[in-house]
Amino acid sequence: GNSVTQMEGPVTLSEEAFLTINCTYTATGYPSLFWYVQYPGEGLQLLLKATKADDKGSNKGFEATYRKETTSFHLEKGSVQVSDSAVYFCALRDSGNTGNQFYFGTGTSLTVIP
Amino acid sequence: DSGVTQTPKHLITATGQRVTLRCSPRSGDLSVYWYQQSLDQGLQFLIQYYNGEERAKGNILERFSAQQFPDLHSELNLSSLELGDSALYFCASSTGQMETQYFGPGTRLLVL
Repeated sequence: GNSVTQMEGPVTLSEEAFLTINCTYTATGYPSLFWYVQYPGEGLQLLLKATKADDKGSNKGFEATYRKETTSFHLEKGSVQVSDSAVYFCALRDSGNTGNQFYFGTGTSLTVIP
Repeated sequence: DSGVTQTPKHLITATGQRVTLRCSPRSGDLSVYWYQQSLDQGLQFLIQYYNGEERAKGNILERFSAQQFPDLHSELNLSSLELGDSALYFCASSTGQMETQYFGPGTRLLVL
């Protein structure tokens, strides 16, 4: 079946620190991979995505590379800001017969302190 | 602002009751998805509709049902509510069946 495993949080970093949030997946086919971010009190927002192996998604200084050989899609940012404090969700989309079903990780809470 | 709207924003009710959550997708989006987010189970996919028809079903209880209307808005009906149904319920929409999903702000349900 399909599943996503994310590193557990919470993660606390100082401003300008390097961020890595690990994400690995299990999929029966060739999924698309996503990172969503949820700011306090809000819904999820798409942060970045990659639709095939070796694709790199990037947005707002965040990057993630679709690694088929390690079934991973780790999120990285070189220098985090206080405004990056949020919960980050890794997700995969199964494009098989089950429609456009997404499978989400459990989320990783990030707090950036000044 | 994703363009997806959900009402109500908050809902407080009692066990055994029935509630209806409403979602209006982004203009032009044909697919609507419902998710439940709870502290102990994370974000769980419930159900997907595409242009009025059910397309995918996830971990949706039999006490829950949903539909998508001709104007493409969707409603999620939760009945015989239990304490454990307290959660955030998110609606998302996408253009088609293979596109990025855009999430609404959620409805926070509290069952007392």
